[in-house]
Amino acid sequence: SQQGEEDPQALSIQEGENATMNCSYKTSINNLQWYRQNSGRGLVHLILIRSNEREKHSGRLRVTLDTSKKSSSLLITASRAADTASYFCATVMQGAQKLVFGQGTRLTINP
Amino acid sequence: EPEVTQTPSHQVTQMGQEVILRCVPISNHLYFYWYRQILGQKVEFLVSFYNNEISEKSEIFDDQFSVERPDGSNFTLKIRSTKLEDSAMYFCASSVAEGEVGELFFGEGSRLTVL
Repeated sequence: SQQGEEDPQALSIQEGENATMNCSYKTSINNLQWYRQNSGRGLVHLILIRSNEREKHSGRLRVTLDTSKKSSSLLITASRAADTASYFCATVMQGAQKLVFGQGTRLTINP
Repeated sequence: EPEVTQTPSHQVTQMGQEVILRCVPISNHLYFYWYRQILGQKVEFLVSFYNNEISEKSEIFDDQFSVERPDGSNFTLKIRSTKLEDSAMYFCASSVAEGEVGELFFGEGSRLTVL
């Protein structure tokens, strides 16, 4: 079974709208991270939230973490065409030396 | 800005051949990783490496895979006898963090095509 599962698998919105992506996981974590991947490129770290944090902001990004529900959300405000990419959540389980990635959400921003 | 570099960007090989994928992690980083991504699918963990030994490996990382840091700068992934299902994008990553896994810096990947 997968540690991180994202919802929705695909999201298409108009430029300027907000985009929300959700991630659920199964086991206790040290931290949860969000990454972005443009088609055919490497993954780029966006934000890290620790298990004792509930919310974090970075520019137009807002991440929340609910450890009781084992879920996280990534909000991108005022979306731009350049935000079109796949977004992955990744978890670090307690005691592990690896990131485990979810399936990702493919976000398309229509101009 | 420091970056992780990977070579080759694309390699085509025949089934059964050996392949070596190379990575140069960021110089002050301590942890090194290999991940793979089959086209359009999830990013799968293969192996983590610290202090010249494997820290953790996945079920995918069987006896046909090996990793090495031969000269203090390169970090290589060897696939001894490639199979069709090894066709994927392979990503190297490095991290400065000791203890808890922090931000990973990824290379642009090496696309492996096994015919």
